[in-house]
Amino acid sequence: DVKVTQSSRYLVKRTGEKVFLECVQDMDHENMFWYRQDPGLGLRLIYFSYDVKMKEKGDIPEGYSVSREKKERFSLILESASTNQTSMYLCASSLRGSEQFFGPGTRLTVL
Amino acid sequence: GQSLEQPSEVTAVEGAIVQINCTYQTSGFYGLSWYQQHDGGAPTFLSYNALDGLEETGRFSSFLSRSDSYGYLLLQELQMKDSASYFCAVSPRTHSNYQLIWGAGTKLIIKP
Repeated sequence: DVKVTQSSRYLVKRTGEKVFLECVQDMDHENMFWYRQDPGLGLRLIYFSYDVKMKEKGDIPEGYSVSREKKERFSLILESASTNQTSMYLCASSLRGSEQFFGPGTRLTVL
Repeated sequence: GQSLEQPSEVTAVEGAIVQINCTYQTSGFYGLSWYQQHDGGAPTFLSYNALDGLEETGRFSSFLSRSDSYGYLLLQELQMKDSASYFCAVSPRTHSNYQLIWGAGTKLIIKP
């Protein structure tokens, strides 16, 4: 079974802090994704990566950056956290286009 | 732009059949996917329709009609554990073929 893990289930940070969210997958998937999920808005793509060191912006990249130094690991970075970045963050990976495997999510609260 | 519309909430009775619709506006896409998400959990893949027609997987079926810009997820013999949110998603041809555009989700409430 594919396993996608995220570094924290719950995280509380203060405005202006730099925040790192880590995601690791164990199935050698090329593609990895970061989403945020807010009530009534579904999943919105922040960034994705289709290979090591490769990244592309999703629909809402502002205020975020990513890093993929190793195939199994995809990090989301909030350079200076703001209250409007309080959300559920979901990481996913895929080998092919349609079936994405998700991690358990990180609920981030920015105070 | 590209968008998917789903009802925000659907209520059904245990043992019944329910259909969750998904209409979309997109210039072209590779396929329509459905995901299930329980409260507090992660989305999990249910089905994928690359071609028009019905795909059946146990109690769940998914349908796609490209000519009508429409798809649906059909859940039969509803069980309480089917209470969850259901998301449709498409892989647009204007994007790389591993990106998905998501609907806002349908919360399915099942009553005994």
